[in-house]
Amino acid sequence: DVKVTQSSRYLVKRTGEKVFLECVQDMDHENMFWYRQDPGLGLRLIYFSYDVKMKEKGDIPEGYSVSREKKERFSLILESASTNQTSMYLCASSVTGVINYGYTFGSGTRLTVV
Amino acid sequence: QKEVEQNSGPLSVPEGAIASLNCTYSDRVSQSFFWYRQYSGKSPELIMSIYSNGDKEDGRFTAQLNKASQYVSLLIRDSQPSDSATYLCAVTFSDDYQLIWGAGTKLIIKP
Repeated sequence: DVKVTQSSRYLVKRTGEKVFLECVQDMDHENMFWYRQDPGLGLRLIYFSYDVKMKEKGDIPEGYSVSREKKERFSLILESASTNQTSMYLCASSVTGVINYGYTFGSGTRLTVV
Repeated sequence: QKEVEQNSGPLSVPEGAIASLNCTYSDRVSQSFFWYRQYSGKSPELIMSIYSNGDKEDGRFTAQLNKASQYVSLLIRDSQPSDSATYLCAVTFSDDYQLIWGAGTKLIIKP
């Protein structure tokens, strides 16, 4: 089974801190995604990457950046954490091919910014 | 604008009955359709995918796709309390690998 691992299940950070959320997948997937999920707002795409060193902005990239130096790892960076970035963060990966098999999600990181 | 719409619910169904979840999408040129289940506080997990018109069955789950009418549905037979969750519909459109997500329908199975 494809495994997507997010480094922390729960995280508490202070306002203004630089925060790193790590995501690693073990099935050689080309595509990786970062979402945040808030009650009533559904899944919102922050950034995605279709290849190493490549990144594309999603719907809500403001206040975030990403890094993909290796195929298996996609990091989300909160440059200066703010309380409105308190949320559940979900990483997902997928394979490129003729058939789209959907995404596999990590277990999520519940981030609280105080 | 590519959109995927779901009724947010909650949809309340008695245990043992059939739960019917619906999803409509905006673009006729759509290729892949997915149903994910998400328990409270957990991440979404894929339960069904469907790529062509008609029905696809997997255990108690049946996905139904009608491209002409632009809807995809999920039927859950013999509903169990453990089926209580939010069900997310996702669609890919022909020019993109990305899944476009509905907001999800909250399903409650009452014992």
